Amino acid sequence: AAGVIQSPRHLIKEKRETATLKCYPIPRHDTVYWYQQGPGQDPQFLISFYEKMQSDKGSIPDRFSAQQFSDYHSELNMSSLELGDSALYFCASSPGLAGVGQDTQYFGPGTRLTVL
Amino acid sequence: AQKVTQAQTEISVVEKEDVTLDCVYETRDTTYYLFWYKQPPSGELVFLIRRNSFDEQNEISGRYSWNFQKSTSSFNFTITASQVVDSAVYFCALSEYPNSSASKIIFGSGTRLSIRP
Repeated sequence: AAGVIQSPRHLIKEKRETATLKCYPIPRHDTVYWYQQGPGQDPQFLISFYEKMQSDKGSIPDRFSAQQFSDYHSELNMSSLELGDSALYFCASSPGLAGVGQDTQYFGPGTRLTVL
Repeated sequence: AQKVTQAQTEISVVEKEDVTLDCVYETRDTTYYLFWYKQPPSGELVFLIRRNSFDEQNEISGRYSWNFQKSTSSFNFTITASQVVDSAVYFCALSEYPNSSASKIIFGSGTRLSIRP
């Protein structure tokens, strides 16, 4: 079965640089979530989109922005990167309000971002 | 506010032993979902189970079983006859039942399970 695809899988950036993480949800899933997992931490919710509209917002820094496109893929843009942004970034998708099992979020493999 | 507590930070058992991972949650919502996710050393988050707050039936899937007790706000996870491949960090999680928008998941701090050969 198709899973959530995230790219790139690994990313190394310097401080103050920008990064863009991409997420391709499971086909027919219209809801996308972004989470950040620091070393030894639990995943923390950043932001979610339902039908291309921002749905909920968590502890996402103002330096970060995200959007969901017409094909339902999503991008997380991170600017002025800081050392503390080094983390595993997960994207998850769910069928949203229209689907059975609507609230089960299936996670992608994650993008490991290292800021030097 | 919602909160998930996994008091066991690390557990280490010998292969073939049974092990139970504890999870206690707090929520003011009457309707919610509970989850368990597994995170093996490779890093991905693997969905294991979801329970609706209205469904307190215990569930068994192979060597895995879950005990949901609303009266004590607990959702414990038991692995029977553990295997080395079960070694991972296990997260218990909670989300509100969606009304008009996508509901975020609140994770516990995780329990690192090590199965020794």
